[in-house]
Amino acid sequence: AQSVTQLDSHVSVSEGTPVLLRCNYSSSYSPSLFWYVQHPNKGLQLLLKYTSAATLVKGINGFEAEFKKSETSFHLTKPSAHMSDAAEYFCVVSDQDPGGYNKLIFGAGTRLAVHP
Amino acid sequence: ETGVTQTPRHLVMGMTNKKSLKCEQHLGHNAMYWYKQSAKKPLELMFVYSLEERVENNSVPSRFSPECPNSSHLFLHLHTLQPEDSALYLCASSQDFFPLGLAGGAYEQYFGPGTRLTVT
Repeated sequence: AQSVTQLDSHVSVSEGTPVLLRCNYSSSYSPSLFWYVQHPNKGLQLLLKYTSAATLVKGINGFEAEFKKSETSFHLTKPSAHMSDAAEYFCVVSDQDPGGYNKLIFGAGTRLAVHP
Repeated sequence: ETGVTQTPRHLVMGMTNKKSLKCEQHLGHNAMYWYKQSAKKPLELMFVYSLEERVENNSVPSRFSPECPNSSHLFLHLHTLQPEDSALYLCASSQDFFPLGLAGGAYEQYFGPGTRLTVT
């Protein structure tokens, strides 16, 4: 079965500085990987998706993630943090049920705080 | 309305009440999901419907009863809940539930804003 580990439960950055949210996964086949963001009292919004087309994936709001198979990592980065980026971020890996259908496995989340 | 909507946004119910959560998707998707999000726990998949048939039930207690009358609507009927059932309940939809194939990857899911449920 697939699994995903978000290495930091909390990350704090200053506005205008880079953001790095770390994610490692385990998978017995070529998975799909996603990053979602959840702002307070809101649902989850898809930031970006990796499906083996390109290892560097660009998402919305200036975020990007790089798939590194040798390191089984899919870290999320942004060059310059904005106050509106403060939220919870979830790394997600696809899993394949024995019945053949896919489902998503969510990490525990990383809470990003952005300070002025 | 666009995307995935959920009503009500907030619900407070006693342990003996019966209530229902409603989800509607306006994306033309074939698969819909219920998730439970509790504090300090990963998102838990509860139920999956594909083309109105339930395809996944992750050992959810029978006090939660899903209903999918058509591919656009999903309900979660609640009765005799426990305080530990207090959580954010999220509905999601995706184009389909079966994999595109190894080259295509998995379908992404689109989430509603959730219903914050408090059981007293």
